[in-house]
Amino acid sequence: NAGVMQNPRHLVRRRGQEARLRCSPMKGHSHVYWYRQLPEEGLKFMVYLQKENIIDESGMPKERFSAEFPKEGPSILRIQQVVRGDSAAYFCASSPQTGGEPGYTFGSGTRLTVV
Amino acid sequence: ILNVEQSPQSLHVQEGDSTNFTCSFPSSNFYALHWYRWETAKSPEALFVMTLNGDEKKKGRISATLNTKEGYSYLYIKGSQPEDSATYLCAHSSNDYKLSFGAGTTVTVRA
Repeated sequence: NAGVMQNPRHLVRRRGQEARLRCSPMKGHSHVYWYRQLPEEGLKFMVYLQKENIIDESGMPKERFSAEFPKEGPSILRIQQVVRGDSAAYFCASSPQTGGEPGYTFGSGTRLTVV
Repeated sequence: ILNVEQSPQSLHVQEGDSTNFTCSFPSSNFYALHWYRWETAKSPEALFVMTLNGDEKKKGRISATLNTKEGYSYLYIKGSQPEDSATYLCAHSSNDYKLSFGAGTTVTVRA
């Protein structure tokens, strides 16, 4: 039973390019969360999605960032026109329901480097 | 307390010794407190989710307690082993999905 799969593991983009980060949740999990870890900082909430719906995107920058979780396929976090400040580790997590046990299952993250 | 704070930032413990560390969080608007274990180059692994004041949870040699009135949780490791070396994250939520993480306590167990 595969866990949360994120790809790519490492992504290098030049300033101004687009970055697309993919997350396949655990089988049976319909709730997906994206978190970002900036250098020397803790994990920060970005967005919470269910299939075809964005539930809360309050942690996501208003410009250049978007997320989706289509009916078929992985969740995508898209960053347009990347800047150096977007360099970070982006983690996806999933759960079968919100709230309590068993907590969230995290992927191994995508480390984005903007050069 | 506006943020989730963990202390100490790091600690070293001799193999076989027990240790504990703290997570402080806002006591108002409490929904749940999560603990995660994060080994280098791996993904965070859920340890506990606690929701009720006075909750105590245990998984093997690791246990946790929760005080929602004063806004703190302790994580205990009994008889530390080298495989316990990791960063332990706590996360507070005031609703059923959004977690606010602390910076973590990095535990190094010396053989």
